[in-house]
Amino acid sequence: DQQVKQNSPSLSVQEGRISILNCDYTNSMFDYFLWYKKYPAEGPTFLISISSIKDKNEDGRFTVFLNKSAKHLSLHIVPSQPGDSAVYFCAASGSNDYKLSFGAGTTVTVRA
Amino acid sequence: NAGVTQTPKFQVLKTGQSMTLQCAQDMNHNSMYWYRQDPGMGLRLIYYSASEGTTDKGEVPNGYNVSRLNKREFSLRLESAAPSQTSVYFCASRGAGVWKAFFGQGTRLTVV
Repeated sequence: DQQVKQNSPSLSVQEGRISILNCDYTNSMFDYFLWYKKYPAEGPTFLISISSIKDKNEDGRFTVFLNKSAKHLSLHIVPSQPGDSAVYFCAASGSNDYKLSFGAGTTVTVRA
Repeated sequence: NAGVTQTPKFQVLKTGQSMTLQCAQDMNHNSMYWYRQDPGMGLRLIYYSASEGTTDKGEVPNGYNVSRLNKREFSLRLESAAPSQTSVYFCASRGAGVWKAFFGQGTRLTVV
């Protein structure tokens, strides 16, 4: 049973517009959340994270929002650029847990 | 810095053959992980090692064994490969008290 869910397999967005990626989780023990980006034939690379004591974290064009009561987080990319075309994975972990659980991923395509 | 290094990058096996996927990290990380990536399934945890000398099962451990040879190295063994093990395998490592994991480039395994 997947504890981290990304229900949108793909997203297409025009260059310059906002990309919004969503992620839901079921395990209430999760208290740290990460987003990874993956290009074809490469390993995932860390993008941005947020701990459960915050509801927003921003890094340049990337912002992650956390809604603990809804067990939901989202990643906003503004403005979207062609180099943002990749697969984005949501991941989560608990303070007392060494495991990092991933969602199924969302493929983002940025159109020129 | 090499980071996380996986060998081999590509491998084709016949059903029933065995092989070992190698992983080494040079970041002095305590925890190491093996994931497999399949279309629509995201990254699923096979085994992990919280620290040198310990290993634990993840979500999909059947058909695999692991060895934490020392702090740097964590290998994944397929004793009798099956077509269902055709996948891309990723090794990752994470430092103590640090939430983000670093990934290797992946091993693309095909079992025919």
